Amino acid sequence: EIVLTQSPATLSLSPGERATLSCRASQSVSSYLAWYQQKPGQAPRLLIYDASNRATGIPARFSGSGSGTDFTLTISSLEPEDFAVYYCQQRGFFGGGTKVEIK
Amino acid sequence: EVQLVESGGGLVQPGRSLRLSCAASGFTFDDYAMHWVRQAPGKGLEWVSGISWNSGSIGYADSVKGRFTISRDNAKNSLYLQMNSLRAEDTALYYCAKDIMPRALVGATEYFDYWGQGTLVTVSS
Repeated sequence: EIVLTQSPATLSLSPGERATLSCRASQSVSSYLAWYQQKPGQAPRLLIYDASNRATGIPARFSGSGSGTDFTLTISSLEPEDFAVYYCQQRGFFGGGTKVEIK
Repeated sequence: EVQLVESGGGLVQPGRSLRLSCAASGFTFDDYAMHWVRQAPGKGLEWVSGISWNSGSIGYADSVKGRFTISRDNAKNSLYLQMNSLRAEDTALYYCAKDIMPRALVGATEYFDYWGQGTLVTVSS
């Protein structure tokens, strides 16, 4: 079983700031990692797959990096609609989520 | 436009059964693996089960193995989840989700590019 640990649990930032979210896997997952965004009352939305590939329609301010056990989702300049919870996922396992909230 | 519409949720007593359905449209259903992902109230996401395009590859989370059965009917563009011996901890919003990769096996990549809005299952006496 793979355990995905996301940090921080909560990130308090202002619009326009850069957000850096971390996901650490308990064992190497190569580049097989995805990131999702979920807003209240909505289904999750795929942002990034294979660690660094943006899904269809995802703005360029979202980028993913990493391989092995350490991964990062970066939002280069936060827009008001980016405040949400973000999950990393590897096959049948999800991380606990990082909430990006308005400071 | 891809659409996934779940149904079949509701209030059920512990130990009883429930069958969820997911109606798919807007894509070639029998080309893609499909999955169920759940989210308990106020909690994170948990993958429940997945089934390959031809039903030849199936997987379950340990928490539901032996109690839940996933199936699909490609002629009806539909996905199902038969849930037996339900427990309080199965209470959650159940999402149907489409795999991003055509002809993928369960356990290959499992990235979910489209999701339904979910159907709520509440297990309580």
